[in-house]
Amino acid sequence: DSGVTQTPKHLITATGQRVTLRCSPRSGDLSVYWYQQSLDQGLQFLIQYYNGEERAKGNILERFSAQQFPDLHSELNLSSLELGDSALYFCASSVALQGMTDTQYFGPGTRLTVL
Amino acid sequence: QKEVEQDPGPLSVPEGAIVSLNCTYSNSAFQYFMWYRQYSRKGPELLMYTYSSGNKEDGRFTAQVDKSSKYISLFIRDSQPSDSATYLCAMSGSGITQGGSEKLVFGKGTKLTVNP
Repeated sequence: DSGVTQTPKHLITATGQRVTLRCSPRSGDLSVYWYQQSLDQGLQFLIQYYNGEERAKGNILERFSAQQFPDLHSELNLSSLELGDSALYFCASSVALQGMTDTQYFGPGTRLTVL
Repeated sequence: QKEVEQDPGPLSVPEGAIVSLNCTYSNSAFQYFMWYRQYSRKGPELLMYTYSSGNKEDGRFTAQVDKSSKYISLFIRDSQPSDSATYLCAMSGSGITQGGSEKLVFGKGTKLTVNP
């Protein structure tokens, strides 16, 4: 168990809908990362937050957005869902101390199915 | 050309075999190299971490980085059925930033099955 929790485990929804995925980082970790994993694209970095602020952006669609709250949990919002958004969504967290490369610990993921 | 290339396999070996997993990359800015293991229906977990070129050993696992060839490897000695998983290589640029590491770029993963 990495200490990172994600809810829900599974989500089934229809095209055009909006969903919210939630992540709680490990205790003490300030940084949260979101990744999308699909069979054809592999694990793709979406976005990183550090202590409430957006830190880095990857291949995140404009239909997707995220935020990190004062208690450091994070939410990933996916809107106007398309069939191609079906994937595993992982959250990872790290301590993020200055001057160090830190380990990212991954949660168990949320499996999103868009019908 | 993709930034990170990894043979997806699948790779099937008998128990006790030596396994070699590899990734190539194109971005010479990568300095931090990682191997993650992902069991079915689980999140990736960090297995090995190396900086720049060289070897690193941890039990039955050895990670090698050859920056001149832009090639990294993970060797598993005396493979066990419990090693059956998907192995993902990952890498990042500097890592030395305030407020956390840069994004990780992952290979697509190699699915390994170790048969008893």
